Amino acid sequence: DQQVKQNSPSLSVQEGRISILNCDYTNSMFDYFLWYKKYPAEGPTFLISISSIKDKNEDGRFTVFLNKSAKHLSLHIVPSQPGDSAVYFCAASIPNTGNQFYFGTGTSLTVIP
Amino acid sequence: GAVVSQHPSRVICKSGTSVKIECRSLDFQATTMFWYRQFPKQSLMLMATSNEGSKATYEQGVEKDKFLINHASLTLSTLTVTSAHPEDSSFYICSASITGGYGYTFGSGTRLTVV
Repeated sequence: DQQVKQNSPSLSVQEGRISILNCDYTNSMFDYFLWYKKYPAEGPTFLISISSIKDKNEDGRFTVFLNKSAKHLSLHIVPSQPGDSAVYFCAASIPNTGNQFYFGTGTSLTVIP
Repeated sequence: GAVVSQHPSRVICKSGTSVKIECRSLDFQATTMFWYRQFPKQSLMLMATSNEGSKATYEQGVEKDKFLINHASLTLSTLTVTSAHPEDSSFYICSASITGGYGYTFGSGTRLTVV
């Protein structure tokens, strides 16, 4: 069963606006979450992460929010740029499993100039 | 939903031995499977793309003879690390594109430690 879910397969946003990508998980044991960005024909690139002891982590235009009670994770991109157009994956891991990650199925973001 | 089962999740082997990692698509047909490698605190690096019934396409810098990929059926792809060395110690993960659907589904990864 999919323990990490990205229910929106695609998202379109105007350049300069905010992009919000969502991720839900079912396993309360997850304690570390990551977002990856993937361009066509390339491997995923690490974007930003958050530990379960935090509820927010910010890096430039990218902010990840974690709501543990709701088992919900979101990635905010502000302002969105055309170069942000890619597939975004969220991933989660359980402690002491040797970096074993569970990935969502991805959300394809298109930023319209 | 589409699930890829990856085994083993963790393996320790001696230097010079070979290790096989399996990825199975449980409820869909995976015509294309991707194999990635991740070093600590780094992004996943695409190693190769395998299509069922044909030879895998390797990324530049990946040794074909060292990382053998077999995609013999629509539900199974394997990666064999041959003559493993400590520098091969890493996290390996497979991913399958979902035929007729969208996105990719990932296995949960294999932590390989070569001693």
